[in-house]
Amino acid sequence: DQQVKQNSPSLSVQEGRISILNCDYTNSMFDYFLWYKKYPAEGPTFLISISSIKDKNEDGRFTVFLNKSAKHLSLHIVPSQPGDSAVYFCAASVGSNTGKLIFGQGTTLQVKP
Amino acid sequence: DTGVSQNPRHKITKRGQNVTFRCDPISEHNRLYWYRQTLGQGPEFLTYFQNEAQLEKSRLLSDRFSAERPKGSFSTLEIQRTEQGDSAMYLCASSPLKNIQYFGAGTRLSVL
Repeated sequence: DQQVKQNSPSLSVQEGRISILNCDYTNSMFDYFLWYKKYPAEGPTFLISISSIKDKNEDGRFTVFLNKSAKHLSLHIVPSQPGDSAVYFCAASVGSNTGKLIFGQGTTLQVKP
Repeated sequence: DTGVSQNPRHKITKRGQNVTFRCDPISEHNRLYWYRQTLGQGPEFLTYFQNEAQLEKSRLLSDRFSAERPKGSFSTLEIQRTEQGDSAMYLCASSPLKNIQYFGAGTRLSVL
């Protein structure tokens, strides 16, 4: 069963506009969430995380929102830049100090100049 | 730069052969993880170590797979009697005792 789902395989956005990437989860035990970015031929790189005690975390152009009641999180990128074009994965874990991460399938973001 | 290093980057093998991958984590990171990623999917957890102890194994890790981390430093992942379904990208990650994991570039395995 897919415990973390990214239902949009791809997203195309104009440079300078907002990119919104969505992620849903089913396991109510998840309480720590992360977003990773992946370029071709590279491993995933950490972007931003959020604990379930918060509903928002911001780092520069990146903001993650968490809606626990809906079991939904989103990543906002403002303003979007062509260098943001990559595959974005959301991941979840039980606790911030545990082992495995459960990843979604990924969303490919294309930012057009 | 002392990021996570994985070798080889690519491995082509014939079905039934054994293969071994190596991962060198970021120094001083206690935890080391192995994931597998197939086309169009996110990474799937295989196993992880804290220092030299293997703390969790996924049911994806059949008895043909074995991972070691001697002396809590580098790790190896061996696949015996490879099958075509083993073709995937094998990712290694390391972390200190918090959950932000730093990934290597992966080893792409092709089983012919």
